Amino acid sequence: DQQVKQNSPSLSVQEGRISILNCDYTNSMFDYFLWYKKYPAEGPTFLISISSIKDKNEDGRFTVFLNKSAKHLSLHIVPSQPGDSAVYFCAASGLIQGAQKLVFGQGTRLTINP
Amino acid sequence: DAGITQSPRHKVTETGTPVTLRCHQTENHRYMYWYRQDPGHGLRLIHYSYGVKDTDKGEVSDGYSVSRSKTEDFLLTLESATSSQTSVYFCAIRQGGEQYFGPGTRLTVT
Repeated sequence: DQQVKQNSPSLSVQEGRISILNCDYTNSMFDYFLWYKKYPAEGPTFLISISSIKDKNEDGRFTVFLNKSAKHLSLHIVPSQPGDSAVYFCAASGLIQGAQKLVFGQGTRLTINP
Repeated sequence: DAGITQSPRHKVTETGTPVTLRCHQTENHRYMYWYRQDPGHGLRLIHYSYGVKDTDKGEVSDGYSVSRSKTEDFLLTLESATSSQTSVYFCAIRQGGEQYFGPGTRLTVT
């Protein structure tokens, strides 16, 4: 079963506008959530995270929102820039079978159009 | 930059041959992980290590083994490669609540 889901495989946004990437999870034991950005032929790079005790975390142009009751998190990028074009993965962290592990979504390919 | 390197970066091998991928870190992190990335699946955990000689299975461990004889190196071995193991493999370390990834190894099994 897919415990972390990103239902949009791709998203296209105009430069300067807001990009909103969404992620849903099913396991209520997850207590920390992360977003990673991945360019082709490179490893994923950590972008921003949020603890389950918060509902918002902001870092420059990037803001992550967490709605625990809906088991939903989102990443807002504003304003979007061409360099933001990449694949974005959300991940959830929790105690799984006795160890702290990350579970990743399938990824969303974001394309920023000039 | 978490000081993680992976070797080789690219490899093509034939079905049935053994393959070993290496992950090397320079910052003495205790936890290390091996993931594979496939279209439509995101990153899936193969094995992880919580110390020298301490390893455990992840979500997709069948057909893979690992070893960690020293802190800085975490090896992933495919004992007999199959076409279903064609993938991009990423190593990661844990620092705080986050994981940081190496550049990846693209493995093709023909």
